[in-house]
Amino acid sequence: DTGVSQDPRHKITKRGQNVTFRCDPISEHNRLYWYRQTLGQGPEFLTYFQNEAQLEKSRLLSDRFSAERPKGSFSTLEIQRTEQGDSAMYLCASSMGGRGNEKLFFGSGTQLSVL
Amino acid sequence: GESVGLHLPTLSVQEGDNSIINCAYSNSASDYFIWYKQESGKGPQFIIDIRSNMDKRQGQRVTVLLNKTVKHLSLQIAATQPGDSAVYFCADSWGKFQFGAGTQVVVTP
Repeated sequence: DTGVSQDPRHKITKRGQNVTFRCDPISEHNRLYWYRQTLGQGPEFLTYFQNEAQLEKSRLLSDRFSAERPKGSFSTLEIQRTEQGDSAMYLCASSMGGRGNEKLFFGSGTQLSVL
Repeated sequence: GESVGLHLPTLSVQEGDNSIINCAYSNSASDYFIWYKQESGKGPQFIIDIRSNMDKRQGQRVTVLLNKTVKHLSLQIAATQPGDSAVYFCADSWGKFQFGAGTQVVVTP
């Protein structure tokens, strides 16, 4: 399977714990996005990378969230001191292509439950 | 506010009928749009895209129409099947891809 891969699929944690998610994009894709999705809502942009550079972060992204893409391939999203409001599906997407012709391909997501 | 939005939260359609899902966008500079399908427990799946220099694009059983004058696009699904039951999102690629809340399509026998 050469699609976007996310790990783990599900994560249950206690409030205050740190969690880390991994995303492996489609290999030739240079852009990688993180989104958050809650029940009944569309995906909400969090941050994106072009190669290893993090180019933009949502203003909604608190300081407890950090993302990396150290070698321009896989990416990790870490949430520190999790809160119940962090419970959501975290989606990763990758793309290749310039402005006006960019198709995002999504992984299956990591479902986070904070107890 | 959202740059894209969908007109109906739920669309119930009989198997075999055609479905039409509507979407409005607000940024007149938007130049590229994508429709996604999301099944329960899965990530959004690319269906079809359209650039702003086109007003219609067809795929397999799907057609996207773009009306730049009123900043509206629609997704038409021909001969809707049970496997088409899902939430459908339109996305505007201006910036970082903005998604609306989606339309839940329910296919009834």
